[in-house]
Formats: sequence, structure tokens, C-alpha cells
Amino acid sequence: ILNVEQSPQSLHVQEGDSTNFTCSFPSSNFYALHWYRWETAKSPEALFVMTLNGDEKKKGRISATLNTKEGYSYLYIKGSQPEDSATYLCAFSGGSGGSNYKLTFGKGTLLTVNP
Amino acid sequence: SQTIHQWPATLVQPVGSPLSLECTVEGTSNPNLYWYRQAAGRGLQLLFYSVGIGQISSEVPQNLSASRPQDRQFILSSKKLLLSDSGFYLCAWSFSRQVNQPQHFGDGTRLSIL
Repeated sequence: ILNVEQSPQSLHVQEGDSTNFTCSFPSSNFYALHWYRWETAKSPEALFVMTLNGDEKKKGRISATLNTKEGYSYLYIKGSQPEDSATYLCAFSGGSGGSNYKLTFGKGTLLTVNP
Repeated sequence: SQTIHQWPATLVQPVGSPLSLECTVEGTSNPNLYWYRQAAGRGLQLLFYSVGIGQISSEVPQNLSASRPQDRQFILSSKKLLLSDSGFYLCAWSFSRQVNQPQHFGDGTRLSIL
């Protein structure tokens, strides 16, 4: 059983604050690490797919880093806005018997940005 | 562009009744297709995936089955629902023959078993 852990479970920040959360995953037989944003009443939306150790990706005010040797990824949001409120999911592909398209998801971090 | 349709959005079923959830993808051919479930307090769990017509892989032993009768159609079924089948079901697709592609999700079905 693959273990993908996300922390914190939930987070409340004020508008304008910068924030970050963590995803940890198995460090062996790594294929990719995915980040998704899941807003209430919508479907999960892909943010990043990261494959290389040391990879950094950026989309507007959101960025992510990847350390495959130690098995963690950070997601950063700069200057949080109320519309950033969502659950942020990470998903790992790899591990023994894994493949590029079989994802194991963490439980997510619920971000609430207060105006 | 590609779209994914999943229905129904909500479903209330008695224990022991059958189930059929349908998912279709438009705008691409031979996609990889997936069924996930999110039970209360848990993360998204992969139930089934398919890399082609009639090719179904099951990830967890359970009361459910999946079928792919057409290239872009994925169906989740059960002959007799259990209380433990309650949850939020999501269908997703990704490009085949391309590694490390993001998955694209439907809007989900909220299934309540009474």
C-alpha cells in the first residue's frame, strides 16, 4: 500500500498571505507527482505534473517544488485570494507495481482564504 | 477540445439495488479511463482503469465492476449495492501513449445508499 500524506489537513489564511503545504510520498520507483485543485461543486483541476528531482513549476501565483530523493513536494501560493479557497490534492505515480497512469492520492489540504 | 460527461449527479439507492453510472469522453480517441471513489474522510481511491475497449483493471476487491463497451464510454456497475458503497464517484480520462499526463475529471456522482 502506497502512503501519500498531505499536511496540514486544513488551513485558514487571510487574503494577501502567502502559504504553503506539503505532500510526502514514497521515494522509491518514482514516476511523477501531480497537484490538483478541487473547488467546491466543481471537478478536480490539474495544476502540475512534476517528474524530475529539483523540478519547479509555476502557474500564476501558485508554484510547486519536488524532491524525489527524500519524497516530498511543496505547493506555494503567493498573495492568497478568496478564489484560491479549495482542496489541494497531490497524487503519486510509481512504487512497486506502479505505472505512469495509476495515481495514489493524498487526502488533500483544505485551504480557506478569508477576505 | 476534450470534454467529459458523467451522470447522474446524485443518486439515492436502497441496499441491494443495482447500480449503473456512466461516463463519456468527447474530443479524443482511445483515452485512458478511470473510476475513483471518495468515501467520507478518505482520499480519492482508484477503483478501475482502462487502457482500451474491453480492457479493465481492478485496483481493489469490491462489490463493483466496470465495463468499457465503446472507446470513450466507461460504466461503473453493481448488481447489489451495499451500505459501504456510499460515496462520491469520479470518472477521469488521460491521453494514452503519453507518459505522466494529468488526469481530467468529470463532475462526479454523489451516491447515497439507504
